[in-house]
Amino acid sequence: DAKTTQPTSMDCAEGRAANLPCNHSTISGNEYVYWYRQIHSQGPQYIIHGLKNNETNEMASLIITEDRKSSTLILPHATLRDTAVYYCIVRGYGQTGANNLFFGTGTRLTVIP
Amino acid sequence: DGGITQSPKYLFRKEGQNVTLSCEQNLNHDAMYWYRQDPGQGLRLIYYSQIVNDFQKGDIAEGYSVSREKKESFPLTVTSAQKNPTAFYLCASTGLGQTGSYEQYFGPGTRLTVT
Repeated sequence: DAKTTQPTSMDCAEGRAANLPCNHSTISGNEYVYWYRQIHSQGPQYIIHGLKNNETNEMASLIITEDRKSSTLILPHATLRDTAVYYCIVRGYGQTGANNLFFGTGTRLTVIP
Repeated sequence: DGGITQSPKYLFRKEGQNVTLSCEQNLNHDAMYWYRQDPGQGLRLIYYSQIVNDFQKGDIAEGYSVSREKKESFPLTVTSAQKNPTAFYLCASTGLGQTGSYEQYFGPGTRLTVT
């Protein structure tokens, strides 16, 4: 499986955009990039995923570089409730095998009032 | 509401005792998973099951056991052989989400403290 590299921590001012980077240089052609977040002492929550096109939903935007070796999760207007650990994961589409999902240590985002 | 439930949220046990953590899902998902999370760490896979009556070891299965007698249920037993059982335990299942692709859904977790 392709693994990911993320910064350990980041700060963002409330109301500003939070841009969380992720490197996945060994990603293969059929692997998607998924983002989850985990608020303290809760289970991780799905945010967004993409293959090669940029994606947007009500929570966030996902920008994937043309070579697919890196991506950026964008929270357009960060709020205090967005303070969490954000995990970038690479997995195969439609595969339910557990060995396709690897949670690293993620990025701890702190939104500052 | 569909989802994954784990009980209890907090669990305290004495060293040397076995303890079973509950995980139930009503999402009709075939695949279920158990993860362990330690402070400041990512999730580590303990066991997973892709179908009823079948399960496989994950990366850190030693000292743990599971069963999958029903599709909805995947209990995890932390045995006395587990050297460092105090941790946050997360149960998950995988299935098609609203986006039409596979997503992993997580329960709220059980925080186990062994003294």
